[in-house]
This record gives sequence, structure tokens and C-alpha cells, in this order.
Amino acid sequence: AQSVAQPEDQVNVAEGNPLTVKCTYSVSGNPYLFWYVQYPNRGLQFLLKYITGDNLVKGSYGFEAEFNKSQTSFHLKKPSALVSDSALYFCAVRDVLGGATNKLIFGTGTLLAVQP
Amino acid sequence: NAGVTQTPEFQVLKTGQSMTLQCAQDMNHEYMSWYRQDPGMGLRLIHYSVGAGITDQGEVPNGYNVSRSTTEDFPLRLLSAAPSQTSVYFCASSYSGLKNEQYFGPGTRLTVT
Repeated sequence: AQSVAQPEDQVNVAEGNPLTVKCTYSVSGNPYLFWYVQYPNRGLQFLLKYITGDNLVKGSYGFEAEFNKSQTSFHLKKPSALVSDSALYFCAVRDVLGGATNKLIFGTGTLLAVQP
Repeated sequence: NAGVTQTPEFQVLKTGQSMTLQCAQDMNHEYMSWYRQDPGMGLRLIHYSVGAGITDQGEVPNGYNVSRSTTEDFPLRLLSAAPSQTSVYFCASSYSGLKNEQYFGPGTRLTVT
């Protein structure tokens, strides 16, 4: 069965510093990996995805993520954090072998707090 | 292009009452789904649909029904509300295919007393 883990409930970082939000996954086949962001009292917004190809994926708002197959990880990164990046971040995985049902499995979320 | 819309935004129900959460999308997406979000548990899939007339169960379907009579609409029905169904409910849609990201509505915040 596919699963995804976000080991940190909260990440604190000072504005201007680099940030990393961690995600590891487990699938039977090859993974399709996604990051979403949720601002307070809002729905989830898509940030970026890894399907195939280059292990470094660039997305919205200056975020990027690195796919590491040997470590089964897909960590979200940003070189310089902004206070406005403070939000709840979700990693999600879909198993390529999962068939046409298109089901995403979400992690439990990581709250990013950027201090001024 | 409104994207994914949900109504109502907030709802309070008494135990045993029934209601329907509405979801609509105007992007001609084949795939639609309902999730519930609870603290510390991420998003859990309730029901999903791969096209009009086709629905299936997700991880936590008990107590909920869905139907998909049109491409645009995917209502979620609570048959007899229970306090355990207090949650935030999100509808999402996407094009078919495993590579496609989902678009989420703003959510319905439901309290069952």
C-alpha cells in the first residue's frame, strides 16, 4: 500500500534563511509526488509535482523539491524564506501502479512558521 | 472561471440530521473527490468519481453518500450526522490521469452537536 510521511509537525525558520520541509514515501512502483500549500481557512493550492525526469523540480512562489529515489524522499525547499510562506504544507503521493483511480494519499501536514 | 466552488461555507447540525454539501467545478474535469481534514490526520478520501455516473469509495466512506449525475456537480450527503463527522470537508477535481494535480475548493466547516 502507498503511504507518505511528514516527520515534522512544525518547522520554524527565520525570514531570509533557507527552509526545508521533509517528506518520505512508500509505494510499490514508481511514485508521482506532489506538494500542496494551505493558507488559514483556505483550500489546498498546488505547488509542484514530480512525475519523471530531473530530480529537482521547480514550482510556484520560488519553491523547489528534490526527488531522491534511494532515500524515498521528496523534500520541499526554498533558498530564502518569507513571512508570507507561513502556512500548512502537505506532501502527497500516487503510485504509478495504482491504476486509473487517481487516488492521492496525503501526509499529515507540516506547519511552516517564518519569523520576521 | 470560478474553479471549484463549495457551499455552504459553514454549517452546524444536530446529531441525526441529514444534509448535502454541494460541490461544482467549471473546468470540465472528469475526476472529482471529497476529502475530510482533521487535525493531525491530513486529508482522508471519502468518495471519488472518475466521470459522470461513476462513483467509488475512498478510505472513510461510512456515513456518506455521493452521486455524479453531471460532469460539473458532485454533492456529498450526510445521511444521519454524528459528532465524529465534525470536520472540514474539501472537494477537489482534476483531469483524468495519474500525473494531474487536483484543484481544491475553499472547504465546508461542519460542526455536529
